[in-house]
Amino acid sequence: EAQVTQNPRYLITVTGKKLTVTCSQNMNHEYMSWYRQDPGLGLRQIYYSMNVEVTDKGDVPEGYKVSRKEKRNFPLILESPSPNQTSLYFCASSPRYPSYEQYFGPGTRLTVT
Amino acid sequence: DAKTTQPTSMDCAEGRAANLPCNHSTISGNEYVYWYRQIHSQGPQYIIHGLKNNETNEMASLIITEDRKSSTLILPHATLRDTAVYYCIVRDQTGANNLFFGTGTRLTVIP
Repeated sequence: EAQVTQNPRYLITVTGKKLTVTCSQNMNHEYMSWYRQDPGLGLRQIYYSMNVEVTDKGDVPEGYKVSRKEKRNFPLILESPSPNQTSLYFCASSPRYPSYEQYFGPGTRLTVT
Repeated sequence: DAKTTQPTSMDCAEGRAANLPCNHSTISGNEYVYWYRQIHSQGPQYIIHGLKNNETNEMASLIITEDRKSSTLILPHATLRDTAVYYCIVRDQTGANNLFFGTGTRLTVIP
């Protein structure tokens, strides 16, 4: 089944403790991105990657890092999480850039205390 | 990017057509209209998109007015599983991979 997977789905952590949220797609898509969703603010793009070893900042990149060493994986790294990074995170992939259709993962709900 | 205006919420009886309107009066010539939906806390799901012509796929139909200032998403036979937040997004093709999802329309399908 074609899909985007994220792990973990739920995470509660403390301020400053480094964490990684994994994202993987099995559709051989070139383009991958991370969004966060907050009430009243909609979905906002954090980082994106047009292909392996090519990443760039989205609209809200502060406090996040990403890497794209393999085509299928695009992990999101929070080096020193803070409470304002408490949010619902989605990974998405597209066949190419530009592409009208994005495939989203199931989401990761992160709480930073 | 053109701003969109959607009703906050709508109800629809199960089995009936759901018509979701969207106003985008400042749309420019090279901007597409995209529709996505999000079922409670799941990842958004692509539905359909169009530029100026009406479009239909297995999920829905998209009707765009001739002046392109508004559009309507039609779910022909709504089911309970169509209960979701529906987002109308206007963006040019180069921005298709970074669509701004605002507040959308919360559609509730009633048995």
